[in-house]
Amino acid sequence: KAGVTQTPRYLIKTRGQQVTLSCSPISGHRSVSWYQQTPGQGLQFLFEYFSETQRNKGNFPGRFSGRQFSNSRSEMNVSTLELGDSALYLCASSWGTGELFFGEGSRLTVL
Amino acid sequence: GQQVMQIPQYQHVQEGEDFTTYCNSSTTLSNIQWYKQRPGGHPVFLIQLVKSGEVKKQKRLTFQFGEAKKNSSLHITATQTTDVGTYFCAGNYDGNNRLAFGKGNQVVVIP
Repeated sequence: KAGVTQTPRYLIKTRGQQVTLSCSPISGHRSVSWYQQTPGQGLQFLFEYFSETQRNKGNFPGRFSGRQFSNSRSEMNVSTLELGDSALYLCASSWGTGELFFGEGSRLTVL
Repeated sequence: GQQVMQIPQYQHVQEGEDFTTYCNSSTTLSNIQWYKQRPGGHPVFLIQLVKSGEVKKQKRLTFQFGEAKKNSSLHITATQTTDVGTYFCAGNYDGNNRLAFGKGNQVVVIP
């Protein structure tokens, strides 16, 4: 079956802009989590959605937001981009708990 | 906040030798997961440990969960070039889907 699909794979933005990233989970998975990966900080948890509800939230500013649709697809949005937001954003889906299946990620560069 | 510490952060391992990577938490974990990320790739689930003192083996990989459920280790024997990558542990503190990832152990294999 198809894996987790993230779009776009690469994007370049400038400071102050906003960006929306998309994630399509594995069919049947109801949980979608988002992580920010940077070389110095590893994987930082952003938030998790389950059945369209945000179930867990990490320690990121309010500029980072997300949502999940009825088909379990999820989007995350970052507003007022800063240079430090440059990172690989990884989406992971699961049945609810346990093993996470990661997508290839969306690599964001903020200039 | 809750976090897991991984040591070492970097390892150079001669092909054919063994190595171990460690994961420590200051508070008790509900369970712990291990992931491997190849260079340029995304994290891939290896295993989940739940029980105190649990030991699981996958071919040349041996995973352990400490008695106090505060630490874990991954031991790889007879290292191969395919073992190159970054190994992450991810702690789950309350059984939900919010994983706290360590910063990873980047392994380079010397032929």
